[in-house]
Amino acid sequence: TQLLEQSPQFLSIQEGENLTVYCNSSSVFSSLQWYRQEPGEGPVLLVTVVTGGEVKKLKRLTFQFGDARKDSSLHITAAQPGDTGLYLCAGLRETSGSRLTFGEGTQLTVNP
Amino acid sequence: KAGVTQTPRYLIKTRGQQVTLSCSPISGHRSVSWYQQTPGQGLQFLFEYFSETQRNKGNFPGRFSGRQFSNSRSEMNVSTLELGDSALYLCASSRTPDNYGYTFGSGTRLTVV
Repeated sequence: TQLLEQSPQFLSIQEGENLTVYCNSSSVFSSLQWYRQEPGEGPVLLVTVVTGGEVKKLKRLTFQFGDARKDSSLHITAAQPGDTGLYLCAGLRETSGSRLTFGEGTQLTVNP
Repeated sequence: KAGVTQTPRYLIKTRGQQVTLSCSPISGHRSVSWYQQTPGQGLQFLFEYFSETQRNKGNFPGRFSGRQFSNSRSEMNVSTLELGDSALYLCASSRTPDNYGYTFGSGTRLTVV
């Protein structure tokens, strides 16, 4: 059983559409990070959320951390082909020190 | 500012051999973590080093080992390679452990035949 359940696993949409990716767990995380990974490269950090209920915006991307710090979401408005990639959520648990636990990832394809 | 550098980028090895992968963190970053990424398991934590000490270890067999040098560069070693060790091995660095965000290298693609 995956500690961080990410959904959907695959998403193919048209340019201009909105989408939301979810990251859920039964465990509490001290922080939740979102990364984007392109083929043949390492993940690139998009944002870190730390406080329950926190909302952060990065241009057309909105990240939210659940009140109980067990879940998070990533919402993209008016998706563009350049948003295509693998989106990964990763959490730090207080009991696991600096060990990141990753979700399975969401492969997003935005078609022009 | 140079990023996290991993060498080599690609590697092909035969079952039973051993391999050493290298990671040079961003200047000033003293914490280095290693992850294995496979299509079936996603990213799995291997181990983390800080100031030449292993602080945390994932659930991998003893064939997987690592070390960190005084200049913060890190190496990981896999002995007696198995087909299932084929994966993308990623290194991530941060200034200190428990940092809120890590910088990953481009990884080493290991193929075991």
